Amino acid sequence: AQSVTQLDSHVSVSEGTPVLLRCNYSSSYSPSLFWYVQHPNKGLQLLLKYTSAATLVKGINGFEAEFKKSETSFHLTKPSAHMSDAAEYFCVVDLRTGGFKTIFGAGTRLFVKA
Amino acid sequence: DAMVIQNPRYQVTQFGKPVTLSCSQTLNHNVMYWYQQKSSQAPKLLFHYYDKDFNNEADTPDNFQSRRPNTSFCFLDIRSPGLGDAAMYLCATSRGSSIGSSYEQYFGPGTRLTVT
Repeated sequence: AQSVTQLDSHVSVSEGTPVLLRCNYSSSYSPSLFWYVQHPNKGLQLLLKYTSAATLVKGINGFEAEFKKSETSFHLTKPSAHMSDAAEYFCVVDLRTGGFKTIFGAGTRLFVKA
Repeated sequence: DAMVIQNPRYQVTQFGKPVTLSCSQTLNHNVMYWYQQKSSQAPKLLFHYYDKDFNNEADTPDNFQSRRPNTSFCFLDIRSPGLGDAAMYLCATSRGSSIGSSYEQYFGPGTRLTVT
């Protein structure tokens, strides 16, 4: 069975410190993996995506993620948090092999303290 | 700018009174999706259209229907809204994909539905 687990429901960091949001997936197929960000009362915006090319993926706003097949992980990082990064982050697995399935993680709320 | 537009942004309806939410896109994408998102939860896929092919999620209630009259527009109809249907409804689009590849989804700003 395919699944996505975001290991932290809430993460709190101070402005200027690194951000780590963790995501593990389970899939029988080679997945495409995405991170989306959602600010309050807004739609979701793509941060970055992995689609079987480079394992280290760079996204917008200084975020990046590394696909580690051996650990079935796709953690999101940023070297230095900014107040505007405070939002909800979703890890998403997209499977288009033998069917059509988009699976969202439960989300991680990022708080950034001044 | 190419985009996904949802109207209205806020919708109030009465218990049991049919309501329609609309979504349009200028991206010319093959696939359009409707999600339901309740407070502090992940979006839940209700259904999607791949071109004209409608694909319903197994657990989507019959109360929810959708129409896609052309490539640009897609509608979500809630036939008899209940209090539990109050949520944010998100429309998204993506390019069509072949086996083994997929594309990111572009989301609209959402319509917040209140049921009184």
